[in-house]
Amino acid sequence: NAGVTQTPKFQVLKTGQSMTLQCAQDMNHEYMSWYRQDPGMGLRLIHYSVGAGITDQGEVPNGYNVSRSTTEDFPLRLLSAAPSQTSVYFCASSRLAGETQYFGPGTRLLVL
Amino acid sequence: GEDVEQSLFLSVREGDSSVINCTYTDSSSTYLYWYKQEPGAGLQLLTYIFSNMDMKQDQRLTVLLNKKDKHLSLRIADTQTGDSAIYFCAERTSSGGYNKLIFGAGTRLAVHP
Repeated sequence: NAGVTQTPKFQVLKTGQSMTLQCAQDMNHEYMSWYRQDPGMGLRLIHYSVGAGITDQGEVPNGYNVSRSTTEDFPLRLLSAAPSQTSVYFCASSRLAGETQYFGPGTRLLVL
Repeated sequence: GEDVEQSLFLSVREGDSSVINCTYTDSSSTYLYWYKQEPGAGLQLLTYIFSNMDMKQDQRLTVLLNKKDKHLSLRIADTQTGDSAIYFCAERTSSGGYNKLIFGAGTRLAVHP
């Protein structure tokens, strides 16, 4: 098993550009989530999904969209990038909501 | 509300014990976790404890849970330079009908010779 994979590893965007951060897991996990990590603030939940076709907002959802058309994939879309979205983004999955989460290696995003 | 708090920084000498502390607010939390993040990497689950336990030991790691005070600690015995990392405490809580993990801000552990 590859576990949780994320692409790209690093991305630079200009303000106003859009992009999609990819996340995939091959563990047949129902629960998937996106976090952003900022210095001194730990991990903040952006969006999560408890299964294919079901998504919900986390703590900081503004400026981000998600979809879950398959169990394996959970892409995160930035609609119009802003410098405040400069961060490290982590995708995580677990068998069910609230169980042990397994994290991807992260995507470092810089918005100029 | 839901909140998990940790001190941001801890410095220890190689070979000493490290104790990282965490407080949480949700008294109904069923599981509490410790994750480790090495530089440039994602989070790796270190250990977890169920809320009806007081202590859990796993090799050099000891987790202590004081449910009355909502206090969790991680003790690393014989701390090594490879233990330098950020350690996140997390509680499992329910909100909006779904379970989720709430993370602390992380404690950066620096191990020096």
